This record gives sequence, C-alpha cells and structure tokens, in this order.
Amino acid sequence: SYEMTQPPSVSVSPGQTVSITCSGDKLGDKPTAWYQMKPGQSPVLVIYQNTKRPSGIPERFSGSNSGNTATLTISVTQAMDEADYYCQVWDKSTVVFGGGTRLTVL
Amino acid sequence: EVQLVESGGGLAQRGGSLRLSCVASGFTFSNYDMRWVRQAPGKGLEWVSSIPRSGESTFHADSVKGRFTISRDNSKNTLSLQMNSLRDEDTAVYYCARKMDRADASDIWGQGTMVTVSS
Repeated sequence: SYEMTQPPSVSVSPGQTVSITCSGDKLGDKPTAWYQMKPGQSPVLVIYQNTKRPSGIPERFSGSNSGNTATLTISVTQAMDEADYYCQVWDKSTVVFGGGTRLTVL
Repeated sequence: EVQLVESGGGLAQRGGSLRLSCVASGFTFSNYDMRWVRQAPGKGLEWVSSIPRSGESTFHADSVKGRFTISRDNSKNTLSLQMNSLRDEDTAVYYCARKMDRADASDIWGQGTMVTVSS
C-alpha cells in the first residue's frame, strides 16, 4: 500500500513563512490535497490538486508537488494557523493520508 | 447551506455492531462520491470507506474490510456505515466527507460522530 511521510512537528514565528513536506514514491505524479485540522474541529481542505485553493482559503496558503515531495507553504503565518496538517492522495481506489504535521506558531 | 450531519455514534461492546448515518443537505447528493474517514484518539486521519455516486461499487480499508459496509440512499440523501465485529481499535471520531467533483479531495466534512468500543 502507498505510504506518505510527514514531519511530526514544525514550528514558526508569527509573520514568517513555513513549509510542511509530504514525501512518497513518485508523489509528484499524484494530485495531492492538504487539510488543516484544529482541536475539536473537522478537517478543512486548504489545497487540492497540488496548488489550488478552495474558495475562502487565504492566499497565504500555497502548494507545490514535484519528484517525491509535496509541500504546503504558509506565508505570513498567523497564530490562527496553528493546527495539524495532513496531506492526502488517491491510490488504487484507496484514499491515503500522511501521518500529519503539528504546526506550532511560537 | 451545504452540510453533512452524522449520527449514530456511541458506546458499543467489543464484537458488537453500530450503524452510522450521514444526512446531506444544500447540494445534490446523488452527484457526488462520498467517504468515511476516522480519527482515533491522539492519532491521525485514516480513510475507512468510499462509495461512488451510483453506489454500484464500494471500497474499504484493509483494517475494516469484511467488517464494515458503506452504503447510500440517494432518495434520502443519506450515507451509511454499518460496523460489525467492532474492535477496540475502531474507537474514533468518524467523519463523512464529500469528494470533489473533478479532484480527489474532500471539500465538505461533517462534524463527526464518536464511536467508543469497550468490553
């Protein structure tokens, strides 16, 4: 089964830029989505098809995907961005999530 | 308002059964593939099951295959998950989610329903 690896945690200072990676074999060939999840809340889609933002998602969220790594980048990070972030792909009729990354805004 | 509302969670005995439901509103339910995703306490997101808009086929994670069954009733805008032979490791918040029309991502999620399996 397909697997994706994310760093367990990442930290950033307010106003700075942070990148969260998701690694998998030839991941660049798979359209990747990213979800934000805050404690006690449902997941929120922030990026789909590698680079697209759903309506209502701030422009400071962006994505890229090439080779074996997909990346979620948050620019001018705000305290409200503190959350867990998950990458997701579809592979052979199954949905696969990365293990998740906890973003701490210090 | 586009919305998914889950129900049916609660306490179940190990080896027992539970049926979750998810009612959709604000969009044409029959036009979308649907999924169940769960999150165990302190763990990450785990895909459970998927069903296309027609309901003619179903897909399940290996961890629930043979025990869980996803189904849908497009006339009632309802997605269901029948869970049998429950195990301790099935304890989780279960979310129903709508798959986007032309992308493999879930853009609408329910609020989740908690399932606790205990002996």
